[in-house]
Amino acid sequence: DAMVIQNPRYQVTQFGKPVTLSCSQTLNHNVMYWYQQKSSQAPKLLFHYYDKDFNNEADTPDNFQSRRPNTSFCFLDIRSPGLGDAAMYLCATSRDLMASGTNEQFFGPGTRLTVL
Amino acid sequence: DQQVKQNSPSLSVQEGRISILNCDYTNSMFDYFLWYKKYPAEGPTFLISISSIKDKNEDGRFTVFLNKSAKHLSLHIVPSQPGDSAVYFCAASAGTGGFKTIFGAGTRLFVKA
Repeated sequence: DAMVIQNPRYQVTQFGKPVTLSCSQTLNHNVMYWYQQKSSQAPKLLFHYYDKDFNNEADTPDNFQSRRPNTSFCFLDIRSPGLGDAAMYLCATSRDLMASGTNEQFFGPGTRLTVL
Repeated sequence: DQQVKQNSPSLSVQEGRISILNCDYTNSMFDYFLWYKKYPAEGPTFLISISSIKDKNEDGRFTVFLNKSAKHLSLHIVPSQPGDSAVYFCAASAGTGGFKTIFGAGTRLFVKA
């Protein structure tokens, strides 16, 4: 089945220790997104890639970076995690908006990050 | 600045009855609205959507209603089933905003058997 896969599902890191979360997709979608979701809050878009074109949200901290080496993979790097970065991180994909006429997104199961 | 608001954190409904989940938005530029459903330990999955040129879209037991003047949309589930118990997210996007979608905080629906 075509899907969005996130590894690991649970990640524990220490305060200030860099961490990388990964996402892969078999849907061959142009667009990939990273969201941060804290408990009982709305998923918040951090950035997205349209193919190799990176689009950062204005309020995304510099501490968060992303890489997309190819269509299938996208990484979220947190350079110096703080306690406030503990959250669920969701990866999503979508097809080209113009081609599909919709921006329905397909989500992975998320990675829950704990910062000690 | 919450542009998409779901004011009810939770809703409990008896099996077979109607579930109505509500969503309000503030940005008049939004022209496309979606509902996602999320089970525990899974990512959100797309449920139904509506374009701003329509006021109703129906898919089986699920109907979304859009009231642009009130900046309000609702999701109706009829009849509700225990398997519908999940968190429902309302989301909105503006064509001019590219791919950005704004989500609400979600409403947890409990359908009692």
